[in-house]
Amino acid sequence: AQSVSQHNHHVILSEAASLELGCNYSYGGTVNLFWYVQYPGQHLQLLLKYFSGDPLVKGIKGFEAEFIKSKFSFNLRKPSVQWSDTAEYFCAVISSSNTGKLIFGQGTTLQVKP
Amino acid sequence: GAGVSQSPSNKVTEKGKDVELRCDPISGHTALYWYRQSLGQGLEFLIYFQGNSAPDKSGLPSDRFSAERTGGSVSTLTIQRTQQEDSAVYLCASSSYYGTEQFFGPGTRLTVL
Repeated sequence: AQSVSQHNHHVILSEAASLELGCNYSYGGTVNLFWYVQYPGQHLQLLLKYFSGDPLVKGIKGFEAEFIKSKFSFNLRKPSVQWSDTAEYFCAVISSSNTGKLIFGQGTTLQVKP
Repeated sequence: GAGVSQSPSNKVTEKGKDVELRCDPISGHTALYWYRQSLGQGLEFLIYFQGNSAPDKSGLPSDRFSAERTGGSVSTLTIQRTQQEDSAVYLCASSSYYGTEQFFGPGTRLTVL
């Protein structure tokens, strides 16, 4: 079965630290990849997405992610986090065989200390 | 420019009762999805509608769960004979077409006592 794995469940960083959240998926075919963010008390919002082309994609609020096909990975990065980045982050994949449904990772809770 | 809306925002019910959850997708979006977010299971796909095609019901956990989408727009998720394990946040999302970016609503928090 297709699955998405996020390596870190809970990450605590100080402001200005660099962030990298790992995401691996299991599917050998064509995939569309997403990172969603859920700020406290708010609904899920799209952070960035990869469909094709340049494997390094940039999203909102200074986030970026790199698709490495050979490693089945789509890691999220930010060079310098802010307190306002405190949220839960979800990696998700749509495979060409799934007709659009998102398969989510378990989520990573990021806590940024001021 | 409304986003995806869901109602009610919170629902408390007694075990054994039926509940209906409503989703209004973004106007013009042909694809509509229901997901469930719970502590133990994370975010799980429930059901997907695309235009006039037969829905993908592969994620529905039991036959107590059903959903319909009327007129290609509003959708209702119905849970019959609710159980405590149905307690979760039920999320609706829509997209312009399957495989594209999904926009999520605020969710309905269901508590079954």
